[in-house]
Amino acid sequence: SDELTQPPSVSVSPGQTAKITCSGDALPKQHANWHQQKPGQAPLLVIYKDTERPSGIPERFSGSTSGTTATLTISGVLAEDEADYYCQSADTSGTYRGVFGGGTKLTVL
Amino acid sequence: QVQLQESGPGLVKPSETLSLTCTVSGGSINNYYWSWIRQPAGKGLEWIGRVYSSGSTNYNPSLRSRLTLSLDRSKNQFSLWLSSVTAADTAVYYCARETITLGEPIVANYFDYWGQGTLVTVSS
Repeated sequence: SDELTQPPSVSVSPGQTAKITCSGDALPKQHANWHQQKPGQAPLLVIYKDTERPSGIPERFSGSTSGTTATLTISGVLAEDEADYYCQSADTSGTYRGVFGGGTKLTVL
Repeated sequence: QVQLQESGPGLVKPSETLSLTCTVSGGSINNYYWSWIRQPAGKGLEWIGRVYSSGSTNYNPSLRSRLTLSLDRSKNQFSLWLSSVTAADTAVYYCARETITLGEPIVANYFDYWGQGTLVTVSS
């Protein structure tokens, strides 16, 4: 299956570390990417190719993978990090159709 | 800095055709993939399809029978047409630039630039 599964919600206190997981059978064969979406805004790419951070994204955002699970880690969470986070990859059809996880709401307590 | 801007009617009647255009500024449309993604209110993101600068396309299988994507290099624009719309097609529609690394051992595809999104409501 090309589906990506994320927990619906994660809560963390300011300054702590937040980990958001994304599970999918195809992840060992496809890279994972992560997009942040704040209310009323377009998504923003924060991690690509599992671990790469685009220019301008703070160092507290990092990504990792192990087997069928990709993880987005936010170290030293700030209130401004409260948002929905979507993992994204490609299907295994050979045409690399886009696939999104269901999204995780990160709440900063 | 690449910027994308969606444009088109915000209200479409059921059974009619939804059409949107995305204008790319700050960079060329050539040699990139350009995608459409939508998001119903309160729900997640759904990839609709992509068009390459050559005009080749890939579609979400669930929409393929109703969907047409095209690209106009002279205007640095790409467009979407979705026919026979229903209320289920009501969503915010985003256009995005998609980078696909075909030459690498594990191909990556990611959306590195997004438009601000435009709400399309299907209603009579």
